[in-house]
Amino acid sequence: AAGVIQSPRHLIKEKRETATLKCYPIPRHDTVYWYQQGPGQDPQFLISFYEKMQSDKGSIPDRFSAQQFSDYHSELNMSSLELGDSALYFCASSSRTRTRTSGQNEQFFGPGTRLTVL
Amino acid sequence: DAKTTQPTSMDCAEGRAANLPCNHSTISGNEYVYWYRQIHSQGPQYIIHGLKNNETNEMASLIITEDRKSSTLILPHATLRDTAVYYCIVRVGRLGSQGNLIFGKGTKLSVKP
Repeated sequence: AAGVIQSPRHLIKEKRETATLKCYPIPRHDTVYWYQQGPGQDPQFLISFYEKMQSDKGSIPDRFSAQQFSDYHSELNMSSLELGDSALYFCASSSRTRTRTSGQNEQFFGPGTRLTVL
Repeated sequence: DAKTTQPTSMDCAEGRAANLPCNHSTISGNEYVYWYRQIHSQGPQYIIHGLKNNETNEMASLIITEDRKSSTLILPHATLRDTAVYYCIVRVGRLGSQGNLIFGKGTKLSVKP
């Protein structure tokens, strides 16, 4: 079965540079979530989108922005990178339609993008 | 969403049942109990969820106490590949809800040969 695809898998940037992470959800999933996991930390929610509109917002820095496109893929844009932005960035997707019928909110996670800021 | 408390770490012998407890004493009537796990540096993986009845699927069983203040995830025959951090997450699961997951500290389960 198709899974969530994230690209790139690894990214190395210098301080103050910009980075763009991409997420391709499972086909027919309409909701995308972004999570950040620092070294030795638990995943922290950043932001989510449903049908191309922002749905929820967590601890996302103002230097970061994200959007969901008409084909449902999403991009996380990160500017003025700092050393503390080094982390694993996970994208997850789910289907609101499925949740409506079953009450289940199962999120499927991608393999993550490992961002290293030097 | 209700707060959860889990042991920091647990060990389990390969082939034995792994029982992972979770306390959620402030859980509300419309909140579900979800379990996810994260194998080292991989994306978290959904395991199971429940509201008040016990649940079983191909991966695990979920036992929820009658007062819903605690639950136990059971991996019936643990393998080395079950070594992971297990997260118990309590959140509203009303129909149409699409909220984010709030990960706590989780339990690091080590399955040993």
